[in-house]
Amino acid sequence: DIQMTQSPPSLSASLGDKVTITCQASQNINKYIAWYQQKPGKAPRLLIRYTSTLESGTPSRFSGSGSGRDYSFSISNVESEDIASYYCLQYVNLPRTFGGGTKLELK
Amino acid sequence: QVQLKESGPGLVQPSQTLSLTCTVSGFSLTSYNVHWVRQPPGKGLEWMGRMRYNGDTSYNSALKSRLSISRDTSKNQVFLKMNSLQTDDTGTYYCTRDRGYLLPYDYWGQGVMVTVSS
Repeated sequence: DIQMTQSPPSLSASLGDKVTITCQASQNINKYIAWYQQKPGKAPRLLIRYTSTLESGTPSRFSGSGSGRDYSFSISNVESEDIASYYCLQYVNLPRTFGGGTKLELK
Repeated sequence: QVQLKESGPGLVQPSQTLSLTCTVSGFSLTSYNVHWVRQPPGKGLEWMGRMRYNGDTSYNSALKSRLSISRDTSKNQVFLKMNSLQTDDTGTYYCTRDRGYLLPYDYWGQGVMVTVSS
C-alpha cells in the first residue's frame, strides 16, 4: 500500500497569509494526487486533481505542485472561508490512501 | 444533478453487523465506480472498498474479512455490510464516486454517523 505522509498536522495563519501543506508518498505516484477541503460536519470537497488542476469553482488562490513522491498544496491570501481541514489523496492505485490531514486555524 | 446519500442505523451494538445503503441519482452505477470511505471522530479518512461500474469489488485488506459491498442497479443503490463491529468502527461513513480509472472522487454523500456501543 502507498503511504501518504502529510505535514504539518495543524497550521495557524492570519488572514492574507500564504500557507503550504506537503504530502510525501512512499513511492512515485506519477502526479495522481488530489487535494480535498473538509469543514466540520461536511463531506470532503475536491479542490485540485492531478497535482495542479483546479476543479471548477476552486478559487485561484489555491494551487498545487510536485512530482514523483513529493507534492505541495498552497493557499495564498488565506480567507476566513478557508478555515478547514485539508487532505491529500493518492489515486494511482488501490487501496487509495489519504494523508493524515492538516487542520488550518486562524491565528 | 449528481447526488449520493447514505442511510443506515446510527447505533450498532458491539459484535453486530453494520448495514448501510448508498442511494445515488444523476448518474448510472453501470458507468461509475462507487467507493466507501470512513472517518473516525476527529481523525482522518480511510478507504474501505469499491464497487466498480462492472460489478467487480475491491476491499481494504485490513477490513476484507469483515466487509462486503454489493449493489442493486435497478434501485440505484450500493450496499455495505461489515460484521463483528467494535468500538473503533465508530465514525462517519461516506459513499463517494469516481469517474473512472485514474480519476479522483468528485461527488460525496453527506455521510452517516455510526456509533458502536452497547
